[in-house]
Amino acid sequence: TQLLEQSPQFLSIQEGENLTVYCNSSSVFSSLQWYRQEPGEGPVLLVTVVTGGEVKKLKRLTFQFGDARKDSSLHITAAQPGDTGLYLCAGALGIMRFGAGTRLTVKP
Amino acid sequence: DAGVIQSPRHEVTEMGQEVTLRCKPISGHNSLFWYRQTMMRGLELLIYFNNNVPIDDSGMPEDRFSAKMPNASFSTLKIQPSEPRDSAVYFCASSQDGGLVAGYTFGSGTRLTVV
Repeated sequence: TQLLEQSPQFLSIQEGENLTVYCNSSSVFSSLQWYRQEPGEGPVLLVTVVTGGEVKKLKRLTFQFGDARKDSSLHITAAQPGDTGLYLCAGALGIMRFGAGTRLTVKP
Repeated sequence: DAGVIQSPRHEVTEMGQEVTLRCKPISGHNSLFWYRQTMMRGLELLIYFNNNVPIDDSGMPEDRFSAKMPNASFSTLKIQPSEPRDSAVYFCASSQDGGLVAGYTFGSGTRLTVV
C-alpha cells in the first residue's frame, strides 16, 4: 500500500482540455511537492506547498494543498503536448515519500 | 552547476555479473538518495545518506545490493551478483537540508538491463 495514492494512474486527453490529478493520504505532511518526469530523465521539482489550504500557480498549472495537509491537487488549464509526462507527488515525513504518479498524455 | 551526474546512462550485463552505478551529487548538498524505478513498483527509495553517513537502508532489496559514499562528492551503488529482476532505472538524487522545501535534484538515471 502506497503512503500517497495518486489518481488517476493514467490520463490521455486532447490539447486544449483542462484536467485535475489528485494526491491523497491519511498522513499529515509538513510539506508536499509535485514533480514532473519526462521520458529518459529524472523527476524535476515543480512546486512545494507548505501551508494547509495554500494555492500556488505556475503558468497554466495550479497546485492546492488540502486544509488538513493530507492531500493535494494539480490542475492544468488548456493542456499542451509539452505537458506530457509522469506527475509525482511527494509528502514530507522525515524525508520525501513519493507516490506512484499519474502518467499524462496530451495529444495534439 | 552541472546538476547530479550519474554514470553510466545505460548498462547491459549478464546475470551473475557485478554492476556498479556511480553518482556525483550537487556540490554543497548534504543528503544523497538512491532510488529504483519500474513500471510495476514506481519510484522506490533504496538508501539515503546524510553527511556521507548511511541513515536508512531498509529499502535495499537484499544483501546483493550495497551502497557507499566515501566523500561528499561521490557515491556508488553496487549489485553483486546481478539478476534479471534487478532490471530497472536507478536514480540518484541530492538535496540540501533534507529537501523538504527546496526539493530533490535528480540525475538522469542509469537504465540497467540484466539478461
